[in-house]
Amino acid sequence: GQQVMQIPQYQHVQEGEDFTTYCNSSTTLSNIQWYKQRPGGHPVFLIQLVKSGEVKKQKRLTFQFGEAKKNSSLHITATQTTDVGTYFCAGPGDNYGQNFVFGPGTRLSVLP
Amino acid sequence: DAGITQSPRYKITETGRQVTLMCHQTWSHSYMFWYRQDLGHGLRLIYYSAAADITDKGEVPDGYVVSRSKTENFPLTLESATRSQTSVYFCASSGSGSFDTQYFGPGTRLTVL
Repeated sequence: GQQVMQIPQYQHVQEGEDFTTYCNSSTTLSNIQWYKQRPGGHPVFLIQLVKSGEVKKQKRLTFQFGEAKKNSSLHITATQTTDVGTYFCAGPGDNYGQNFVFGPGTRLSVLP
Repeated sequence: DAGITQSPRYKITETGRQVTLMCHQTWSHSYMFWYRQDLGHGLRLIYYSAAADITDKGEVPDGYVVSRSKTENFPLTLESATRSQTSVYFCASSGSGSFDTQYFGPGTRLTVL
């Protein structure tokens, strides 16, 4: 079945440093979504990418969808303590768009 | 208007008991999902439903049963709880499957002793 991998599993950064997490799929994705889960919380939708090579920005967050639509990245510029949490990518779990498959997530720690 | 709610939020039960986790959404979303989250495994799909009376297995369905008689409710039942089912369970909904935003409930932390 569909598999989505993410690296790194953990990342510790000093506040103000940049952070990037990478998501890779075994197959071409029609779309990819990113979610953030704060410690003790539930996943919250951040963004969806649909087009090949698409780049979207949300303040300090930059999301990219690969040209082949098999990989994606999330880059945070100048991390803040509010960025702490686990970042997940998710893609369609089947060819009909009926469910999701999530990557294992990247847990970000930000040291003040 | 809470959007999507789960109950109970915390549950402790014993091996072999039946447990039902409730999920309710107020958006009339067609799709609903159940995930379990364990350290090192991220979110794994247990069951999903594309509409009332339509359910299908996800990645890890063994030991679980679902039903969806009404659009807004999607209960998850552990027929005979095992320790390996100790986990955090999240319910989610979306308007149109994987092409739409998925909204998660607050989660149920289940401990099986």
